[in-house]
Amino acid sequence: QVQLVESGGGVVQPGRSLRLSCAASGFIFSGYSIHWVRQAPGKGLEWVAIISSDGTTTHYADSVKGRFSISRDNSKNTVYLQMNSLRPEDTAVHYCARGHASGSFLIDFWGQGTLVTVSS
Amino acid sequence: DIVMTQSPDSLAVSLGERATISCKSGQSVLSSSDNRNYLAWYQQRPGQPPKLLIRWASTRESGVPDRFSGSGSGADFTLTISALQAEDVAVYYCQQYYSSPITFGQGTRLEIK
Repeated sequence: QVQLVESGGGVVQPGRSLRLSCAASGFIFSGYSIHWVRQAPGKGLEWVAIISSDGTTTHYADSVKGRFSISRDNSKNTVYLQMNSLRPEDTAVHYCARGHASGSFLIDFWGQGTLVTVSS
Repeated sequence: DIVMTQSPDSLAVSLGERATISCKSGQSVLSSSDNRNYLAWYQQRPGQPPKLLIRWASTRESGVPDRFSGSGSGADFTLTISALQAEDVAVYYCQQYYSSPITFGQGTRLEIK
């Protein structure tokens, strides 16, 4: 079955960096785009970034542009989110999510998420 | 950016009764190239990640009970639960995937009256 397992979350001080990983299984990873979406405690969903199936195209939310970088290694079925210059407002559960096979920006499956806490 | 606005923010409905959630987008999400509405609905139960219920505004995902239905076009959409069950307690989000950045509504919390 489809699985997305996030890791790498934790507590980090403002201004520091963190790298999240998303390990995929149960589907042909190289055929799908992958998103990161986050949810601050008690709040709604905020889309963060997307990477195309071949890794050549990326898009970012304005709130993270220039600070976050999404990448993937199709040989390892893994997507990464490098988060630099972290701010307290980046505190959230970060979900890895699969893009739909249609090639649109639709998200059809979500991982369980990993919590990132930015605090001094 | 396309702003998505849901109403109401919260809703309490009796078991077996109908629940209706509205979602309006700041601009049309109907594509002229394929005549599809790029609008999805997600359910997020407490402590769980979101789950895709409906795509293209009205196409129910496999395994989603038929009491869930989506309707609307252009910039005005509705999610209807025809007869509320206890397991439907959740927060529901609409999302446009017409253009980047992808945007979500603020969510509607559905409870049992």
